[in-house]
Order: sequence, then C-alpha cells, then structure tokens
Amino acid sequence: NAGVTQTPKFRVLKTGQSMTLLCAQDMNHEYMYWYRQDPGMGLRLIHYSVGEGTTAKGEVPDGYNVSRLKKQNFLLGLESAAPSQTSVYFCASSYSSSGSRETQYFGPGTRLLVL
Amino acid sequence: AQSVTQPDIHITVSEGASLELRCNYSYGATPYLFWYVQSPGQGLQLLLKYFSGDTLVQGIKGFEAEFKRSQSSFNLRKPSVHWSDAAEYFCAVGLNDMRFGAGTRLTVKP
Repeated sequence: NAGVTQTPKFRVLKTGQSMTLLCAQDMNHEYMYWYRQDPGMGLRLIHYSVGEGTTAKGEVPDGYNVSRLKKQNFLLGLESAAPSQTSVYFCASSYSSSGSRETQYFGPGTRLLVL
Repeated sequence: AQSVTQPDIHITVSEGASLELRCNYSYGATPYLFWYVQSPGQGLQLLLKYFSGDTLVQGIKGFEAEFKRSQSSFNLRKPSVHWSDAAEYFCAVGLNDMRFGAGTRLTVKP
C-alpha cells in the first residue's frame, strides 16, 4: 500500500514553460486535493476534486489547471510557469464526502523552482 | 473572516521538557480541528483531531490537544519532548473547507 505518491520529486522550470505534476493514490479515496506550501503561509488549497471527472477551485487557483480522469489520479498543470509559482506542492486525498471532517493523507511533495 | 492562527513561528525546547503549541481560530461556528506534523522532506501526517465530545483529545506519538471553546483555541501539548519530535506542526480547521495555519517549527535541544 503506497498511499499517496507524487511525481516528480523536484523540478526546475524556466519562466513560460509548462509541466504537469502527477498525484496517485491507492486507497480508493473519493476526494483529492492540490496544495502549495510557501514559507510563513502554511498550506493553501489550489484545486480539489470530489470524484472522478469533477474538479473545483480552491483558495489560489490562478495559473493552474487540474484533471481527474481516473479516480486514483489527480493531475496539476502549469501552462506557463511564473517565478511566483516556485513552491512545494502537496497532493492529498480523503475518503468520504464530508470533506473537511475527514483525515487527509498527504504525498511527500514536489519541489518546483521556476527561474 | 474565517482564519486559523499559530502565533509561534519557531519554538525551541530541551529534550525531556514539556511542549505546548498554540492554535487559535476565528469561525462563525465550532469547526473540526486537526493537528498535523511534517518531518523534514516529508508530507503531513495527522497527529489528532477533534469533532465533538471530550475536549481533551489524545493522538499519536504521545501528543494531546485541548479544545477550549471560550478561547477559540486548540493547543497541542506533550509532557516530555523527544529529539525525534523536531518537525513543523500545523493546526488545521475545517467547516466547509480546510484551512491550515502557517505552522510552528519545533527545534529540540539535546
């Protein structure tokens, strides 16, 4: 049981480049989330998904897109990376529809540097 | 506005000493309350959570937290800190969504 995994672990991009971060979970969770973590700001929700084929915006969605084509995968895309998107990105998942009541299980994070 | 505040950015304690990490929230109703821990280079792991009932909650690794409605607080405590407790600790509150505090970094002196 791998839990939540994230690919890649670290990436350097140039301004304007695009990339996709992959999150996979093997716990059959309905809910999945993408957060960014910046110093002194804790975790902020970018986008989330309440099930296969559905996504919704979180607190800081601008500059990001997501897709949930399969229940176990949640993709985060940056179409045109900017230095302000330098951050550590965490994916999380939770079991049921009571989203904020449920324990979230986190991946190990992806460190992204945009030059 | 809904918010969660961790007033201490960084705390240093000696190994074996007691620990208290503070968390305050501002919500219209009592939210669900969580404490997560993040070890260096790792994701977050749940320590404990409070939904209702007994206001003193026990968690993993010897941690406990007390919910005080009158103070809108949910402080995390441990009677005797171990060197392996050095990490960053996040308070999180949820009602319709989940909000995380900015975190408190714990350093443990030998």
